[in-house]
Amino acid sequence: QSALTQPRSVSGSPGQSVTISCTGASSDVGGYNYVSWYQHHPGKAPKFMIYDGSKRPSGVPDRFSGSKSGNTASLTISGLQPDDEADYYCCSYAGTYTLVFGGGTKLTVL
Amino acid sequence: EVQLVESGGGLVQPGGSLRLSCAASGFTVSSHYMSWVRQAPGKGLEWVSIIYSGGSTYYADSVKGRFTVSRDNSKNTLYLQMNSLRAEDTAVYHCAKRAEWLLNWYFDLWGRGTLVTVSS
Repeated sequence: QSALTQPRSVSGSPGQSVTISCTGASSDVGGYNYVSWYQHHPGKAPKFMIYDGSKRPSGVPDRFSGSKSGNTASLTISGLQPDDEADYYCCSYAGTYTLVFGGGTKLTVL
Repeated sequence: EVQLVESGGGLVQPGGSLRLSCAASGFTVSSHYMSWVRQAPGKGLEWVSIIYSGGSTYYADSVKGRFTVSRDNSKNTLYLQMNSLRAEDTAVYHCAKRAEWLLNWYFDLWGRGTLVTVSS
């Protein structure tokens, strides 16, 4: 199972919006509505941000939103804040008891 | 406090074995689906294995036949026994708890991880 494709890095200024894409295949992202996103500050525990492609767990700010079209999922962060600077990973169920993650995107808040 | 704390990482030679532990507090490991996810240096996250509350286990193809996930209910601890280790198994290993309020493999609690280095 190949990793999902994410841009290596994105950047934005405080208050701006950024979008991180996550491209897979019909066997994972495109075949299931089971895409999630995780925020990871290096050295800390990853944090659950989005599930079912676009839903937010309790406690996640509505500045974080997700969407999916075909084989590509996206995470949009609006009103960027300094603490949003982190690595972001998408994840999809890939059938037959398998999960696949993306390669990760480093978000820099300028 | 609800948390997961991994331990047991270290330096091991190729072909060697290591057992990782993940101590849980604030909840009961045996009542939840628990998973291991790793991150190789400079790489993204990679799902490794999962154990269901009922005991069923599943593995990524890259570790199948070499790694075994288990738990000790009396110690409220999750384990990952890693045998026949290879250089490509070098990574930080995180344990994670599935969000039981959701149907799918979503993880709402993670540990900080423990580093495994496979090198001669």
